[in-house]
Amino acid sequence: ELKVEQNPLFLSMQEGKNYTIYCNYSTTSDRLYWYRQDPGKSLESLFVLLSNGAVKQEGRLMASLDTKARLSTLHITAAVHDLSATYFCAVDMEYGNKLVFGAGTILRVKS
Amino acid sequence: EAGVTQFPSHSVIEKGQTVTLRCDPISGHDNLYWYRRVMGKEIKFLLHFVKESKQDESGMPNNRFLAERTGGTYSTLKVQPAELEDSGVYFCASSHPSGTGHYEQYFGPGTRLTVT
Repeated sequence: ELKVEQNPLFLSMQEGKNYTIYCNYSTTSDRLYWYRQDPGKSLESLFVLLSNGAVKQEGRLMASLDTKARLSTLHITAAVHDLSATYFCAVDMEYGNKLVFGAGTILRVKS
Repeated sequence: EAGVTQFPSHSVIEKGQTVTLRCDPISGHDNLYWYRRVMGKEIKFLLHFVKESKQDESGMPNNRFLAERTGGTYSTLKVQPAELEDSGVYFCASSHPSGTGHYEQYFGPGTRLTVT
């Protein structure tokens, strides 16, 4: 059974600081997704990583995937308050099938 | 393009009652998924439709849950009778193969179900 572990589960950061959220998964997959959720809102797709070594960047967020280590990272650079949200990673093993989610990381950026 | 919509946004019912949740996927998306997040835990898969057919219902917790997708458009998820442990946020998602062949799932805002 595929398991996905995220850490940390809660992250309180000062504005301007850098930090990384980690997502480990237990079985082979080369498709990993990062989502952001604001309170009461939909899960918003941030990044789709489809191969080993994939790296994608959008603004202050950068995601990478190492399929051999079964690890993805979401790096936050110079955090700002607007990044406060819950971030989920999710993995799927077969095209079109279910996603297995991590528990989510609650990020709070303090000014 | 309209996103995935869900109704209601919030439902409060008593134990033993019945509740029906509705999901309207993005137009043209053949794949529709239901997920659930119980307070503080992971978002967990419930089931997957391809058009009107159930492709995978391995995550359905028990026979109190019934999902339908008549005509391959919107879907309903009925909980009957509801129990306290059914409380949580129920998400719906839809997908369609992209140009690269992968199925990015687009999520609705969720229905928060509270069973008292």
